[in-house]
Amino acid sequence: GENVEQHPSTLSVQEGDSAVIKCTYSDSASNYFPWYKQELGKRPQLIIDIRSNVGEKKDQRIAVTLNKTAKHFSLHITETQPEDSAVYFCAASKRGNKLVFGAGTILRVKS
Amino acid sequence: EPEVTQTPSHQVTQMGQEVILRCVPISNHLYFYWYRQILGQKVEFLVSFYNNEISEKSEIFDDQFSVERPDGSNFTLKIRSTKLEDSAMYFCASTVLAGQPNEQFFGPGTRLTVL
Repeated sequence: GENVEQHPSTLSVQEGDSAVIKCTYSDSASNYFPWYKQELGKRPQLIIDIRSNVGEKKDQRIAVTLNKTAKHFSLHITETQPEDSAVYFCAASKRGNKLVFGAGTILRVKS
Repeated sequence: EPEVTQTPSHQVTQMGQEVILRCVPISNHLYFYWYRQILGQKVEFLVSFYNNEISEKSEIFDDQFSVERPDGSNFTLKIRSTKLEDSAMYFCASTVLAGQPNEQFFGPGTRLTVL
């Protein structure tokens, strides 16, 4: 079955710097790749997603890139702010079915 | 904005007891899921449900687990005889269409504590 690896497990950046989180997936049939932000004790919230027919997508300070050949995708957050501090999960899905999540990245933005 | 809701927010039970976790998916959604998250770990898929039947289930979803859509709005997860290792946050999610890549909307979760 699908396996999603996520790195790094923790990431500390200075406010204003960029943060990059990387994921790889194993199933070449996966075609949907969402990123979720989860604050302590809260539900996962979708922040951006990308489908396999697109290589890059941007929404203000957040961007996601997808390399289907290499089977990896990345989350880029620019101009980080303290409120970006949270756990970020990547996930992969095929044909709109179950999400397979990565292990998560704890992002700390230091002010 | 419509949201997935879940009750209760926290459930404490004794080992061996049955628990039922309840979810109300977004009203026009057709595909429903249960996930769980053990404290400090990743979110894991349990089961998906479409057209009143299970579409897929994981290895975690053994005979102790069952799901039901008893009416037009509720979606429930039952654990027949809870074990200590069932302690986790359980999230319900729903999506509008089956078979297509669409956002899954998560509920706020039920924290299950098995003593």
